[in-house]
Amino acid sequence: DAGVIQSPRHEVTEMGQEVTLRCKPISGHDYLFWYRQTMMRGLELLIYFNNNVPIDDSGMPEDRFSAKMPNASFSTLKIQPSEPRDSAVYFCASPEGVEAFFGQGTRLTVV
Amino acid sequence: DQQVKQNSPSLSVQEGRISILNCDYTNSMFDYFLWYKKYPAEGPTFLISISSIKDKNEDGRFTVFLNKSAKHLSLHIVPSQPGDSAVYFCAARVTSYDKVIFGPGTSLSVIP
Repeated sequence: DAGVIQSPRHEVTEMGQEVTLRCKPISGHDYLFWYRQTMMRGLELLIYFNNNVPIDDSGMPEDRFSAKMPNASFSTLKIQPSEPRDSAVYFCASPEGVEAFFGQGTRLTVV
Repeated sequence: DQQVKQNSPSLSVQEGRISILNCDYTNSMFDYFLWYKKYPAEGPTFLISISSIKDKNEDGRFTVFLNKSAKHLSLHIVPSQPGDSAVYFCAARVTSYDKVIFGPGTSLSVIP
């Protein structure tokens, strides 16, 4: 298995534009987590899914953020409209048992 | 409200010496504690974990100690190596919700 795959690796966009981040979890893993890393807050849990169903989205900062998991092999995190304060590295993670396997992240810069 | 805290943003240690990274938590419902290591431009990778029913877990140079009464855990790295230089995240899981919550991280520098 290639592990958790995220795309794009880097995204630069203008304020107000829609941004979509993508994640392909490890096959067979039932859970998927989306995290955001910033200098100030470290790794924040945004939302997580179990069997493609959103379980807890209490970490999603605003209504501008939304996440979907249409099937077991794909998830998206969308920001619309984007703002400069959304600039961060976004990770998705695919746990197995206690351990979570992270993708390499998407570095988002909103200018 | 941060449930997992790492109060030292950075730590510098001489090669060969012991590195001790600390973590405090507030939620007594956590059943598993984990440490992750992160290099720049990479995702975090799992390092070691400990169940809440244990007080120590060892894996090679890495040992995690858990003090439940103090709601405190620590990661010991002995001996420290330059390749250990990374950001270390403490994390905790609540089984019933399978939610993993991370602390803000401690950046470790091991000086040759």
